[in-house]
Parts: sequence; C-alpha cells; structure tokens
Amino acid sequence: SAVISQKPSRDICQRGTSLTIQCQVDSQVTMMFWYRQQPGQSLTLIATANQGSEATYESGFVIDKFPISRPNLTFSTLTVSNMSPEDSSIYLCSALGDSYEQYFGPGTRLTVT
Amino acid sequence: AQSVTQLGSHVSVSEGALVLLRCNYSSSVPPYLFWYVQYPNQGLQLLLKYTTGATLVKGINGFEAEFKKSETSFHLTKPSAHMSDAAEYFCAVSAGYNQGGKLIFGQGTELSVKP
Repeated sequence: SAVISQKPSRDICQRGTSLTIQCQVDSQVTMMFWYRQQPGQSLTLIATANQGSEATYESGFVIDKFPISRPNLTFSTLTVSNMSPEDSSIYLCSALGDSYEQYFGPGTRLTVT
Repeated sequence: AQSVTQLGSHVSVSEGALVLLRCNYSSSVPPYLFWYVQYPNQGLQLLLKYTTGATLVKGINGFEAEFKKSETSFHLTKPSAHMSDAAEYFCAVSAGYNQGGKLIFGQGTELSVKP
C-alpha cells in the first residue's frame, strides 16, 4: 500500500485567486489521479497525472482551470485557478496500486468566498 | 463502458445487527471491484478488493464481499455492526489498464448504526 499526504488540509480563498494543492506519495507510483468531491456526493475524476507527460483531463475539466504538474514518481500538484464559489469542494489525490486499487490522500477542503 | 449502482443512499442498522450494503456493476471486461470507506472529514480508505480468484474476499474491520458474476453484484457485508462502522461507503469498479487505471465510483451509501 501507499501512504499519501496532501497540503494544505484546508483553505479559505477569495474569488479570483488560485490555490495549489500538493500531493506526496511515500513510494514511486506510475499513475496519480485528482478528484473533486462536493459535500455529500461521490467522487468525480478531474484528471490522470502520469510522470513525464501531460495530464489527461476528463470531460468538463480543462487544463487552464486545473493545471496539473507531475515532476517525478512521488509528487503531483493541482492548481485551482481563478476560483469562484462553485469551486468550493474537497479535492483528493490518489495513487494507483499494484492491483488497480487506488490509495487516497486525506483531502483538501477548499472554501471560496 | 463501466458503471456502478449502489442501492440505498442511506442504510440504518442497530448495533450488533447484520450490515448489508448493495452494489451492482456493469463492465464490458472482467472487472476489478473495490469497497472504500470514508469517515467524516477524512479521505477514502480501501476496505477490500476483488481482482481474480476467490470470489469471497475479506477485508479490514470484519467486512467481506462476494463477487457474483451472474448477478453482476459485489455486496458488502459484516455480521455484527459496531458504532464505529458509521461512515460513507463507496463501491468502485476498474477495467485496469484498459481504461488507464481509472476507478468508477457509485454514489455512496451512508451507514448509520443505532445503539
């Protein structure tokens, strides 16, 4: 299994600003993922992040709004750009395990005012 | 394409009673199936997984699930509920590398445990 940490754990931001969320894995992994979870709802995949290539975004998510970096096999960042109150949510990162399971970080709770 | 349906968004049981959370999936390829638990203000924790082999899989905290291909189901059970089991539970399916390792999640079932 993998242990994943995220920073910050929570933040309150003003509309129009950007926030970068960091995700650190305790071992090397090929694939990492970023999800959004709105209160009381399930997870929605934002993008898949592979080291050495551009992230692959799901329908409804674009790179200009959610730029992702994956500089090495243990680290990734997600930026939420030009934020609006609709971006208030929990953002989770995960790493792919050996049997296609994913291991999740504790999440970043974002409130946009 | 793959999909997951969790029957019942809220399930309430008494402490000591059987827990049964239902999950049905759709997959065009042999599925990898997972159950996750999410406690308030925390991330998701893997409870158990089915990849290949034995169809009855045991997980952490006394939970188990049975893969039934003919019924396209992967229901989660626990013989005796404990107060600490109160949480949100998610069923998920993966097609493995056929779909880039992505997980498709159900809508979740909130389990309440009454004393």
